[in-house]
Amino acid sequence: DQQVKQNSPSLSVQEGRISILNCDYTNSMFDYFLWYKKYPAEGPTFLISISSIKDKNEDGRFTVFLNKSAKHLSLHIVPSQPGDSAVYFCAASGVTGANNLFFGTGTRLTVIP
Amino acid sequence: EPEVTQTPSHQVTQMGQEVILRCVPISNHLYFYWYRQILGQKVEFLVSFYNNEISEKSEIFDDQFSVERPDGSNFTLKIRSTKLEDSAMYFCASRQDNSYNEQFFGPGTRLTVL
Repeated sequence: DQQVKQNSPSLSVQEGRISILNCDYTNSMFDYFLWYKKYPAEGPTFLISISSIKDKNEDGRFTVFLNKSAKHLSLHIVPSQPGDSAVYFCAASGVTGANNLFFGTGTRLTVIP
Repeated sequence: EPEVTQTPSHQVTQMGQEVILRCVPISNHLYFYWYRQILGQKVEFLVSFYNNEISEKSEIFDDQFSVERPDGSNFTLKIRSTKLEDSAMYFCASRQDNSYNEQFFGPGTRLTVL
């Protein structure tokens, strides 16, 4: 079951530069997408989300873009900071009544000072 | 800031034993979830709970699993007879209501089955 995919297991970026994390999905019924950040030995922390009726949502340094025709979303972090180093999970919901989340496999972001 | 809490942080058990993992969701939230993450794999949905009953469950959530909300604050996951492959991080999550899709996760319980 690979309904949500993150094809890059890791990404390294210099501090101050832009980080772009990508996510693809296969189920066109998904109507809500979320990004979570996870540190070791902690639970996922909600970061930002986007509804399928939008193509962009911005919150401070974080912006999520949604391309429904390509079934693709991306998270942009600018400027990247060392504290952003973590595993980032893309998740999607909307295909079940309980809105349970379908997660990607995660991308480990390392921001180099 | 309100948060989801989980106990214990780490549980070690023998194969075949019963375990109960505990969660206290955010107090005004109405939807509750359990997910698990086997080491090196993605986070997987187990079960959702609303209005004192299971609303959805995955194929992972077989007869060995059960959930309960024994009082107004706790939400528990019971595994009746643990197997080696149940070793994983178990995350509880809660969601406020139908107008919000964000789920907030607890720190997780690491279950190790020997």
